[in-house]
Amino acid sequence: DQQVKQNSPSLSVQEGRISILNCDYTNSMFDYFLWYKKYPAEGPTFLISISSIKDKNEDGRFTVFLNKSAKHLSLHIVPSQPGDSAVYFCAASVNTGTASKLTFGTGTRLQVTL
Amino acid sequence: EAGVAQSPRYKIIEKRQSVAFWCNPISGHATLYWYQQILGQGPKLLIQFQNNGVVDDSQLPKDRFSAERLKGVDSTLKIQPAKLEDSAVYLCASSLGDSGVSTDTQYFGPGTRLTVL
Repeated sequence: DQQVKQNSPSLSVQEGRISILNCDYTNSMFDYFLWYKKYPAEGPTFLISISSIKDKNEDGRFTVFLNKSAKHLSLHIVPSQPGDSAVYFCAASVNTGTASKLTFGTGTRLQVTL
Repeated sequence: EAGVAQSPRYKIIEKRQSVAFWCNPISGHATLYWYQQILGQGPKLLIQFQNNGVVDDSQLPKDRFSAERLKGVDSTLKIQPAKLEDSAVYLCASSLGDSGVSTDTQYFGPGTRLTVL
């Protein structure tokens, strides 16, 4: 039962263009969503997050959009840079009362080409 | 500020052997997590500690996996005996631990890549 899905395993974008990474979820109890970026041989690095009470959060070149009715979120990177080439994981959090529990998607590998 | 430290970075063992991983979280972080990431998948939570107490170990295969966090700081994760399907990257993460609020951001270490032959 995969509660967080990233249906695109890979994405290739030209430098300077927009990268759009998508994520779908099934559990309506999720109330906080995060994107992590992972380079080879490193652990995931927190990138940006959004609360379920918002529909947009922006941080520099990165914007996350949340559509609760569709249970869908997306990460926009504008403009894309070669250093953005990495695997991006979508994660969702639910407060269980005693702890906050993260569920991750399977990741999307972004390749930014020159 | 120092990040989450893990060792070793790589480990190769034969099936049925035992192995242990070590994690030192970010200073002041009360919550510590161990994740297993199999190739091509996202990280899967194995166990979560709040200080030195376990708050979630529902996905930990307790017949072979064990973890402890003595004194509420460092933690070790052990596998005994290892199976081929345990080959994965084992990630440690920590967070401030604000009473379980969803916005408690987790910070990850570099992971330990385990290969079981």
